[in-house]
Amino acid sequence: GAVVSQHPSRVICKSGTSVKIECRSLDFQATTMFWYRQFPKKSLMLMATSNEGSKATYEQGVEKDKFLINHASLTLSTLTVTSAHPEDSSFYICSARDRAYEQYFGPGTRLTVT
Amino acid sequence: GQQVMQIPQYQHVQEGEDFTTYCNSSTTLSNIQWYKQRPGGHPVFLIQLVKSGEVKKQKRLTFQFGEAKKNSSLHITATQTTDVGTYFCAGSNFGNEKLTFGTGTRLTIIP
Repeated sequence: GAVVSQHPSRVICKSGTSVKIECRSLDFQATTMFWYRQFPKKSLMLMATSNEGSKATYEQGVEKDKFLINHASLTLSTLTVTSAHPEDSSFYICSARDRAYEQYFGPGTRLTVT
Repeated sequence: GQQVMQIPQYQHVQEGEDFTTYCNSSTTLSNIQWYKQRPGGHPVFLIQLVKSGEVKKQKRLTFQFGEAKKNSSLHITATQTTDVGTYFCAGSNFGNEKLTFGTGTRLTIIP
């Protein structure tokens, strides 16, 4: 099946710093990628839809200035958590949609803000 | 907004017993997908159902999509230790590519 990678897999940063997470579709082109957030033992919550060449669409309650999304190419989307705070600590997962509208998930990035 | 609920939240079964998780949407869905997430892992796509009343099987797993396209179920026959994980349903509405994930059912197996 299709492969989606995320980098880094785990990151620890200090409060006030920014962190960039990359999501890549390795063997297919993805015009649309999705960014989710998952708290421990909870479900996935969609944060935003990332479209190649256009602005991301954010879900209600998600601050677009805090979670910057850039979908620069058909295989890469980035999520930057700006001025991170401890409450931003979470598991961030991206997914990429192929032409058959199936979503393939990346392995996730565990962010810890100290 | 759309809500997708799953029951039960947790299920502990003896190895070899059957397991079922139920998924209910507050709105009619265009399709429903099922995912499995192992502890510490990421969601892995299992299947997609599109048609009203559709039933699909994958070995010991049986997936159903309700006639009204608002509910779905996943049934596992004769569970094995490899079935451990959280099972999520995820639905999307007509004309909307976004997936709304269900609350998940965490399955643990007693050997």
